[in-house]
Amino acid sequence: GAGVSQSPSNKVTEKGKDVELRCDPISGHTALYWYRQSLGQGLEFLIYFQGNSAPDKSGLPSDRFSAERTGGSVSTLTIQRTQQEDSAVYLCASSLAWRLIQETQYFGPGTRLLVL
Amino acid sequence: GESVGLHLPTLSVQEGDNSIINCAYSNSASDYFIWYKQESGKGPQFIIDIRSNMDKRQGQRVTVLLNKTVKHLSLQIAATQPGDSAVYFCAESYYNQGGKLIFGQGTELSVKP
Repeated sequence: GAGVSQSPSNKVTEKGKDVELRCDPISGHTALYWYRQSLGQGLEFLIYFQGNSAPDKSGLPSDRFSAERTGGSVSTLTIQRTQQEDSAVYLCASSLAWRLIQETQYFGPGTRLLVL
Repeated sequence: GESVGLHLPTLSVQEGDNSIINCAYSNSASDYFIWYKQESGKGPQFIIDIRSNMDKRQGQRVTVLLNKTVKHLSLQIAATQPGDSAVYFCAESYYNQGGKLIFGQGTELSVKP
């Protein structure tokens, strides 16, 4: 049984470069979430997808951050012109379709991003 | 610039004892609560959840208690084992927020053999 997978598991990049982080949700899960976890801190919501649309982008820290989801499955989080403060673990979670009640979110292992 | 990490609250227990991890949540409108366990270098792992129409829910060796009056959530782990050592996060959400979770700071549980 495949869980949520993310790639790459680790990414080191230079300040100013663009990075793409990928998330493969659990098969059949139509809701997908991106969170960020800075060193020693809790998780911070970034963006949420229901199908291919993103009803809530309120957590994206700046316009350098964007995300898309195609085919109702794989999602890509893109960070343009990376800065050192972008260094964090980026976590993806998926759940069954959100209706009137919350469904459990299952997390992937994360992508550890280090901006030098 | 210098980055400063937060010092997580830490709970240290003896193997075999019961553990209680507490969490205060912020939004009285929250109607769903969940506990996650995070081991070093891994993503959060679902432990147990509870909806606001309940005040207690039990799983295998774990119990979650919800007190909406004081906006307090707790996780009880029975017969704590070394494998329970991890950081535990509580999270809340409410239905008109699209399911996004608001996470607490986390508590580090350390189990002494």
